[in-house]
Amino acid sequence: SQTIHQWPATLVQPVGSPLSLECTVEGTSNPNLYWYRQAAGRGLQLLFYSVGIGQISSEVPQNLSASRPQDRQFILSSKKLLLSDSGFYLCAWSVRAINRWRNTEAFFGQGTRLTVV
Amino acid sequence: EDKVVQSPLSLVVHEGDTVTLNCSYEVTNFRSLLWYKQEKKAPTFLFMLTSSGIEKKSGRLSSILDKKELFSILNITATQTGDSAVYLCAGEGGGADGLTFGKGTHLIIQP
Repeated sequence: SQTIHQWPATLVQPVGSPLSLECTVEGTSNPNLYWYRQAAGRGLQLLFYSVGIGQISSEVPQNLSASRPQDRQFILSSKKLLLSDSGFYLCAWSVRAINRWRNTEAFFGQGTRLTVV
Repeated sequence: EDKVVQSPLSLVVHEGDTVTLNCSYEVTNFRSLLWYKQEKKAPTFLFMLTSSGIEKKSGRLSSILDKKELFSILNITATQTGDSAVYLCAGEGGGADGLTFGKGTHLIIQP
């Protein structure tokens, strides 16, 4: 069965410090991978998605970046955190659709609560 | 810009009551609408709806999609305290490979 592992669960970091959140998926190949942020009162916002190694699409301009060094590894990074980067970050995967119009649901990791102080 | 609006934002009912959660959407090249339950951290998948008027059921939960009026409802009958959670609605469209989420409905079931 497929599993998704995201760490750390909780993180408190000072403003200006770097960030690295990691997400790995097991039990599937060539998944689509996503990073979402859930800020209070704003619902889930898609930050990045990736359809393959080294292929990253950014949905919103921000202080964050993402990388996919391996097929089942997705990393969210920042060189210098801002207070506004605080939030709950969720990694997710979905089956790579052979047909772009195939409907697939996303499966989420347990999330990382990031507090920038 | 794609948009998903859920209502109510917060709801408190007593155990045994039936609740209806609403979700309206404006999603470019709409493909499907999804419902998730988020209790503590990771949202867990409930339903995926692609066709109008076809009800999907899972135990006490059911959901239906109206593609003409661009909305969906999630019904929970005979609610239990374990149903307390945030229920998220998301629209999948052709603009991006991700989902557009609503803000969620925070449902609290009181014993």
